[in-house]
Amino acid sequence: ETGVTQTPRHLVMGMTNKKSLKCEQHLGHNAMYWYKQSAKKPLELMFVYNFKEQTENNSVPSRFSPECPNSSHLFLHLHTLQPEDSALYLCASSPRSGAGNTGELFFGEGSRLTVL
Amino acid sequence: EDKVVQSPLSLVVHEGDTVTLNCSYEVTNFRSLLWYKQEKKAPTFLFMLTSSGIEKKSGRLSSILDKKELFSILNITATQTGDSAVYLCAMTTDSWGKLQFGAGTQVVVTP
Repeated sequence: ETGVTQTPRHLVMGMTNKKSLKCEQHLGHNAMYWYKQSAKKPLELMFVYNFKEQTENNSVPSRFSPECPNSSHLFLHLHTLQPEDSALYLCASSPRSGAGNTGELFFGEGSRLTVL
Repeated sequence: EDKVVQSPLSLVVHEGDTVTLNCSYEVTNFRSLLWYKQEKKAPTFLFMLTSSGIEKKSGRLSSILDKKELFSILNITATQTGDSAVYLCAMTTDSWGKLQFGAGTQVVVTP
């Protein structure tokens, strides 16, 4: 248990479906992240939120839509995905943003997404 | 373009062996280098390195950074089957904690 909880753990969806991934952190952190981990590729940063404000969008297609209603919750809304979007989506949080952030992230277990 | 390169991509060792994993990087504004262990899904933090030549140790694991030659190594001594995992190297170049990861090294420790 890392203090970062992701649901669902597994998701299968068709290309026309709309679904959402949820992440909740119980660590009192101020920054939250979405990373994508595809087979045979490095972890890729998707989005960064600091104090609920999006501070990074790493050229992610608009079919991925993040939402951060508060510092403890992060969502990734999915619509009209492609089969190549199938991957492990990892949420993470970090204690501090701005000066003093060391880069240490606390990851959730991930949501394994399969797009048919 | 910033990049992180890990080697080898994979290796198989016997219990009790020592392994050395390499991570080299190219970056314009280095802040820190981190090592993570990923056994199944969630990567877990091992070390953060910011200064050259200072070894970090945790049990049988140790790591050191060379900022002149732009690389880091992670050593695992007296390996155990529980050390089997993918070891990820990452660096951060700003204060927002955005990590750029290498592809990882898969370590398999056989009994």
